[in-house]
Amino acid sequence: QVQLQESGPGLVKPSETLSLTCTVSGGSINSYYWSWIRQPPGKGLEWIGYIFYSGSTSYNPSLKSRVTISVDRSNNQFSLRVSSVTAADTAVYYCARRSGSYPFDPWGQGTLVTVSS
Amino acid sequence: EIVLTQSPGTLSLSPGERATLSCRASQSVSSSYLAWYQQKPGQAPRLLIYGVSSRATGIPDRFSGSGSGTDFTLTISRLEPEDFAVYYCQQYDNSPLTFGGGTKVEI
Repeated sequence: QVQLQESGPGLVKPSETLSLTCTVSGGSINSYYWSWIRQPPGKGLEWIGYIFYSGSTSYNPSLKSRVTISVDRSNNQFSLRVSSVTAADTAVYYCARRSGSYPFDPWGQGTLVTVSS
Repeated sequence: EIVLTQSPGTLSLSPGERATLSCRASQSVSSSYLAWYQQKPGQAPRLLIYGVSSRATGIPDRFSGSGSGTDFTLTISRLEPEDFAVYYCQQYDNSPLTFGGGTKVEI
């Protein structure tokens, strides 16, 4: 079965760029939409954006100016970059798969990113 | 943007009781692309229901979803101890994809 695993720094300084990678195992990255979702501590879920395996993207307008999602099909990975971070970007970041009429499933376990100097 | 409003914020029930969770959308979710997730502390959300009423793989039949248009419901027929968690609805019809604020089901 497909499994997703997030990786990246747990601490980022304000104004710098947050970078995370999601590694897909147990299946191919082809033919699906791959998303990033975040959850600030004690709060709800926010969709950040997704990338289709071919490279086309869609972003949440609330973050669009600061977000880039890319895919590396040769390594079965996709990545997230969020620029000019502030404390408001502190959250658990999840990656997840979506296909056609099916919503987010499965999800990675999540990784906490803290923005602090 | 479709805003999803979940109610109540917290539901206090006992094992064996029936739980009814509501999700109201600010505009019609036209393709029935409405899902429900369960989240326990320290864990990622788990998909329960997709397409308004279809159970995801491995989800027990005590979980059921219903509704259409702007009003949707998740029902847990008889609460088991492991069902006490936070539940989120999500629409995946229109971009940006959005989640409700969550309903906590507590003992």
